[in-house]
Amino acid sequence: GIQVEQSPPDLILQEGANSTLRCNFSDSVNNLQWFHQNPWGQLINLFYIPSGTKQNGRLSATTVATERYSLLYISSSQTTDSGVYFCAVNSGGSNYKLTFGKGTLLTVNP
Amino acid sequence: EAQVTQNPRYLITVTGKKLTVTCSQNMNHEYMSWYRQDPGLGLRQIYYSMNVEVTDKGDVPEGYKVSRKEKRNFPLILESPSPNQTSLYFCASSFSPFGAYGYTFGSGTRLTVV
Repeated sequence: GIQVEQSPPDLILQEGANSTLRCNFSDSVNNLQWFHQNPWGQLINLFYIPSGTKQNGRLSATTVATERYSLLYISSSQTTDSGVYFCAVNSGGSNYKLTFGKGTLLTVNP
Repeated sequence: EAQVTQNPRYLITVTGKKLTVTCSQNMNHEYMSWYRQDPGLGLRQIYYSMNVEVTDKGDVPEGYKVSRKEKRNFPLILESPSPNQTSLYFCASSFSPFGAYGYTFGSGTRLTVV
């Protein structure tokens, strides 16, 4: 099946810093989503981005489907950005699920 | 507001006592699915449903049952829960099984079986 690798596994920032999270995937995808899992365990959908670039406030994402990677940018980080960020993909065919990466644990210190 | 609603959010139960976790979506999605999340194992699919009365096993279906009698509801049933089913459970829905326009996830159900 498709492999999803995220980097870095852990990231510690001071409030106000910028960061870039990376997601590499091993096959072509129909769907790529970025999620934020908050400390209460909720999975918050950040972006649906199988290709191209999107922005939402301080967050933006870019997927280069031909090169099989996606980037999530967080600018001017806040303590509320802390949590685990997951990249998840669907590769189509007979694959009827999202395959998740292992996540990046982000800690933003005040 | 478009959403997937799971209940309960938290549940502590005893081994062998049947329980149901409910999931409802208000987006008229055809496809619904259940995942469980465990430390070190990530999120794994339990069951999925393409439409009413159409369900199929995911990667870890043992010990679970599902039903899809109505398009909006997809309950997860544990007939005889065991401690190894202690986990964080998520319900998800989408217009298509490939996630066209994205999958929407519920807020999660944290289940503890003692």
